[in-house]
This record gives sequence, structure tokens and C-alpha cells, in this order.
Amino acid sequence: GAGVSQSPSNKVTEKGKDVELRCDPISGHTALYWYRQSLGQGLEFLIYFQGNSAPDKSGLPSDRFSAERTGGSVSTLTIQRTQQEDSAVYLCASSQGTVKNIQYFGAGTRLSVL
Amino acid sequence: GDSVTQMEGPVTLSEEAFLTINCTYTATGYPSLFWYVQYPGEGLQLLLKATKADDKGSNKGFEATYRKETTSFHLEKGSVQVSDSAVYFCALTGMDSSYKLIFGSGTRLLVRP
Repeated sequence: GAGVSQSPSNKVTEKGKDVELRCDPISGHTALYWYRQSLGQGLEFLIYFQGNSAPDKSGLPSDRFSAERTGGSVSTLTIQRTQQEDSAVYLCASSQGTVKNIQYFGAGTRLSVL
Repeated sequence: GDSVTQMEGPVTLSEEAFLTINCTYTATGYPSLFWYVQYPGEGLQLLLKATKADDKGSNKGFEATYRKETTSFHLEKGSVQVSDSAVYFCALTGMDSSYKLIFGSGTRLLVRP
């Protein structure tokens, strides 16, 4: 597609349930990033992929969070046993490379944990 | 570690007023600096960038100059429009982790007709 696509745009879930958030990067972009935007913490880096590998997972807040990327394209961010503090907007971005390359962002998935 | 500090909002201006949003950073060496904008209901969009000292980034009438001596990257626009109402984020990528955007807290701008 023309831009980074994320789905769903909104997700409401109950505490303790698992959720999966999907990101379709711009075609041909080798690097993919996940960020989280929350009221208390602002915009935080979560994880980055180069191809299907994740050289830096340091921003994942706990072991309930995981992400994978397949075929050098689509990525899924999974949150297990969701907690209320996981409520945030999850943003995905992609870029052609990583060194001084512009990151293009999707519109995000707004997650609400009740 | 690397960090970005930007002025708190909201900033409320009348149309055609001059805009300055202050941004300072802490980083080793020479980071790359960015301004991103988030319009209501939309994702982040790159507004402008600068990758070395004294570079000036510009786009859509917005400008920012990379000042190494003051570790600043202030955003300016000479005459704002109602359509500029959005949240503006200053960000950097450091030399050690050039893939990771580190954002400021964001500044909401509201332009009144």
C-alpha cells in the first residue's frame, strides 16, 4: 500500500485477555518499528526489526509483550494477559534502512483495557 | 541517556501570528534532529529534519535550525494558519542507536481564526 497500515484502529479488551496488533509496512521497507504513545509516558520505543530479526527489543515493558515479523513484511505485536496500564496508542513505523532514514508512521491502534 | 525536552502546551495563537516551539536535547556527539506533527486522528508525519550542526530544516513554512552550541532545535513559523493546529513532537536519533527515535513530550498548538 501507499503508507503504513495498522489494524485494528481501535481495540477494547478485558483485563487478562490477549491481544494482537498488526502492522503492514510500506512495500520495500526493510526496517520496522513499534512505539507506544500513552498519557503518562509519552512516545516510547518498543522494538525494531531489520528484516525478520529484532536486534533491539529493549523497549518492551515486560515479558507479556512480544513481536514478530514474517517475510520481511507484516509484523504482529502481541500483548498477553493485558493490564489496564497497557492502554495506549500503539504506533508502527517503517523505513528503507536505519541509518538516517526517515521513519513513516501508521495511524496507530488505540488499545483500551477495561 | 539521550533525551529531548520541549515546551509544554497548549500553545494558543491567533491566525497569522508568529510561532516558536522550543526544543532542547541531550545527546553525545551529533544526533539527527526531527520535528514530527500529529494532526487530529492521524499518525505522526515528518515535518522537517536536520542531520548536522547549522543545518536548517524547512517544510510548509516551518523552519528549525540545528544549534550545537545551545543543543537546540526550535520550531518556527512566521504566520500560522488554523490548519496548523496539531501536536508537534521534537525528536532525535542518537549516534549509538540511529534507528531509535527519542521523542519529546509533544506540544499542542491551537490556532484560532
